[in-house]
Amino acid sequence: DTEVTQTPKHLVMGMTNKKSLKCEQHMGHRAMYWYKQKAKKPPELMFVYSYEKLSINESVPSRFSPECPNSSLLNLHLHALQPEDSALYLCASGQRGGRNEKLFFGSGTQLSVL
Amino acid sequence: AQSVAQPEDQVNVAEGNPLTVKCTYSVSGNPYLFWYVQYPNRGLQFLLKYITGDNLVKGSYGFEAEFNKSQTSFHLKKPSALVSDSALYFCAVRDEDAGGTSYGKLTFGQGTILTVHP
Repeated sequence: DTEVTQTPKHLVMGMTNKKSLKCEQHMGHRAMYWYKQKAKKPPELMFVYSYEKLSINESVPSRFSPECPNSSLLNLHLHALQPEDSALYLCASGQRGGRNEKLFFGSGTQLSVL
Repeated sequence: AQSVAQPEDQVNVAEGNPLTVKCTYSVSGNPYLFWYVQYPNRGLQFLLKYITGDNLVKGSYGFEAEFNKSQTSFHLKKPSALVSDSALYFCAVRDEDAGGTSYGKLTFGQGTILTVHP
């Protein structure tokens, strides 16, 4: 299994809603990532988890709250978002070092904030 | 800080012709360079990674990348383009490990839209 699965694929939410994005991988990767991507722009790193611990937070607003319940799962909890938070949210997992180093990306959750 | 630049927003080639997508890098130590491709409404897919000492790196789908230290470049190439190669291509750089179990940050260039015409 070389897939990163993200749910839901599409999400529409109001500014007062609370929702969660989910990400799952079963490749045994110990690094998992959240990226935000606007249309035709590069992905922007939000968070990195290493061995289920948050290792990088790119100064993301607190209305985004990541969670890594175990080595296979990664969640992104959303609360009180703004319309400018509308974007494609990508989850990735990876193995470090050597010739096999690469990130595996999910297909993303397309988020619209109304 | 590590960075990569992709000087062309868009590249157009005819099917069957060779293609080049350009990338230059700026790093303070060893370069950890990658190419990823993104098809419409999809996540990114890994194409290839620079391996120290290999000036020509071969990757997926017939792509290769040429590393040039003197020009600080890592251009993506393919000898014969296909219409199905049309996509958004990103060059990326990872910072050096801080050591231990820390995973580094991958930073992407602005991306180049490749269009291959029949």
